[in-house]
Amino acid sequence: DADVTQTPRNRITKTGKRIMLECSQTKGHDRMYWYRQDPGLGLRLIYYSFDVKDINKGEISDGYSVSRQAQAKFSLSLESAIPNQTALYFCATRDRGRDEQFFGPGTRLTVL
Amino acid sequence: LAKTTQPISMDSYEGQEVNITCSHNNIATNDYITWYQQFPSQGPRFIIQGYKTKVTNEVASLFIPADRKSSTLSLPRVSLSDTAVYYCLAEGRLTGGGNKLTFGTGTQLKVEL
Repeated sequence: DADVTQTPRNRITKTGKRIMLECSQTKGHDRMYWYRQDPGLGLRLIYYSFDVKDINKGEISDGYSVSRQAQAKFSLSLESAIPNQTALYFCATRDRGRDEQFFGPGTRLTVL
Repeated sequence: LAKTTQPISMDSYEGQEVNITCSHNNIATNDYITWYQQFPSQGPRFIIQGYKTKVTNEVASLFIPADRKSSTLSLPRVSLSDTAVYYCLAEGRLTGGGNKLTFGTGTQLKVEL
């Protein structure tokens, strides 16, 4: 079983709809991250969390919100989706004091 | 945030050594350089991290000169399975806590027979 899972893997929605992307991990890591990936732009950090009570904005947080429901779960929400939020979204985890981030398989979101 | 710049693509042949350079002119004193590999339809996977001079692990080496304005990922004897996108990441800490992470735009490496 994968250590970092994302649901759904693919989602097509319409402009103005509320969307939630979920991330779960079984690695026991305290740090979790949400990125989006666009062609030609690499990965950009949206939000990150060091523990359940710690949420931080990343480079491109406008239009997004997050919730850390438990150490193992970190959700990303688009309150009112717009077409330029069409992208590939990745969740990642990292253990405190370690170098490596572990990425989930990604969620491909299309906003029409 | 330290901006990183990489070549868009590189081609190589099996068995050759591949060196991918990343430029990070405004890297901060406490930034580390990390490289990730990404295959299609998968999340990035950690390769190596370093601060300065040379770091080597079982899959790659990372060279960072004294001025730290660039870094080079070296992949020895590549194979077809090394065909992927490689990302350079400048990673450091913000004053008061928290992380700052900036991924480069990636280098598409294509390995042929």
